[in-house]
Amino acid sequence: AQSVAQPEDQVNVAEGNPLTVKCTYSVSGNPYLFWYVQYPNRGLQFLLKYITGDNLVKGSYGFEAEFNKSQTSFHLKKPSALVSDSALYFCAVRAITSGTALIFGKGTTLSVSS
Amino acid sequence: DAGVIQSPRHEVTEMGQEVTLRCKPISGHNSLFWYRQTMMRGLELLIYFNNNVPIDDSGMPEDRFSAKMPNASFSTLKIQPSEPRDSAVYFCASSTSTGITEAFFGQGTRLTVV
Repeated sequence: AQSVAQPEDQVNVAEGNPLTVKCTYSVSGNPYLFWYVQYPNRGLQFLLKYITGDNLVKGSYGFEAEFNKSQTSFHLKKPSALVSDSALYFCAVRAITSGTALIFGKGTTLSVSS
Repeated sequence: DAGVIQSPRHEVTEMGQEVTLRCKPISGHNSLFWYRQTMMRGLELLIYFNNNVPIDDSGMPEDRFSAKMPNASFSTLKIQPSEPRDSAVYFCASSTSTGITEAFFGQGTRLTVV
């Protein structure tokens, strides 16, 4: 069965500092990996995805994520955080070999202070 | 494209009443997903459809929940009878059926059962 773990319920960072939101996954076979962001009272918005190829993928709003197969991780990063990045972030996995549904982690609240 | 459209945005109902949530996926998308978001359990997959056919409904909590997709442009999630523990935000999402594509989410329906 597919699963995603986001070990931190909340990440706090000062504006201008780098940020990392952690994600590990478990899936049979090769994964497709995704990051989404949710602002209050809104739906989820797609940020970036890893399908194949370069382990470092770049996405919207200056975010990037690094796929590490040996550690089964897909951590979200940004070199310099903005207060407007404060939101709820979800990691998701979709197994190549079993259907098309995305399975999400519980989410990590990112709080960026000015 | 207007994106995934869900209605209503908010629903308050009394315990025991029937509730119907509606979703219009993005035109051309042939996979549709229903998710439920709560503080305790995060974002749970309830059911998903490919080409209007239910593929996996193992996430549906119990027989009180049912979902239909009578055509490519419309889906419903029904709860009958509703209970207070069903209070949550319900999201509909759609994507193409290829695994590499991200899912696009609606704004959600916030259901409160009193």
